[in-house]
Amino acid sequence: SQQGEEDPQALSIQEGENATMNCSYKTSINNLQWYRQNSGRGLVHLILIRSNEREKHSGRLRVTLDTSKKSSSLLITASRAADTASYFCATDARNTDKLIFGTGTRLQVFP
Amino acid sequence: KAGVTQTPRYLIKTRGQQVTLSCSPISGHRSVSWYQQTPGQGLQFLFEYFSETQRNKGNFPGRFSGRQFSNSRSEMNVSTLELGDSALYLCASSLVVRSADTQYFGPGTRLTVL
Repeated sequence: SQQGEEDPQALSIQEGENATMNCSYKTSINNLQWYRQNSGRGLVHLILIRSNEREKHSGRLRVTLDTSKKSSSLLITASRAADTASYFCATDARNTDKLIFGTGTRLQVFP
Repeated sequence: KAGVTQTPRYLIKTRGQQVTLSCSPISGHRSVSWYQQTPGQGLQFLFEYFSETQRNKGNFPGRFSGRQFSNSRSEMNVSTLELGDSALYLCASSLVVRSADTQYFGPGTRLTVL
């Protein structure tokens, strides 16, 4: 079963615009990670945020975590065509010792 | 360092057959996890191996099995293949503890069951 649900399912924007995608999860977590997947390929780790952190930055990426609402958001600033991919959140739920992936957001960035 | 490698990259089998997929983790990584990705179910956790022992298992039937060797390389086997087993099978490795650590994914094996 999916721990994370992502919203929106699909997002289309122009280069230079910002892209925001959200992830909601169900149970308490130790950490939350975001991954990118280019079409039909393996996943690439983007960023990890721990449950005691509220915000984290990595280059053009900004991740927030609200444990009271059980939600996270990934912001990609100044998007590029190369950012076109599917983005997944993954939660390390407490007491399960499993990494559970969300349903993903398909991002299309038009030149 | 070389990344995670998976072989074969593509595989076509027929119902009832069995298949073995291979994964070589990044050098020094001791944890290997396997995932199944389908359009309908998304990314589903299959199992995780650490130091040749299965640490965790997802909700898959016993037809799905795996093992890890002393060099951390891992194989997964699916017996009596069904059409619904058609999927992208992804392997990921991490340095020590999977859940708290960054997962490094291989390119996947695309399995088609006819």
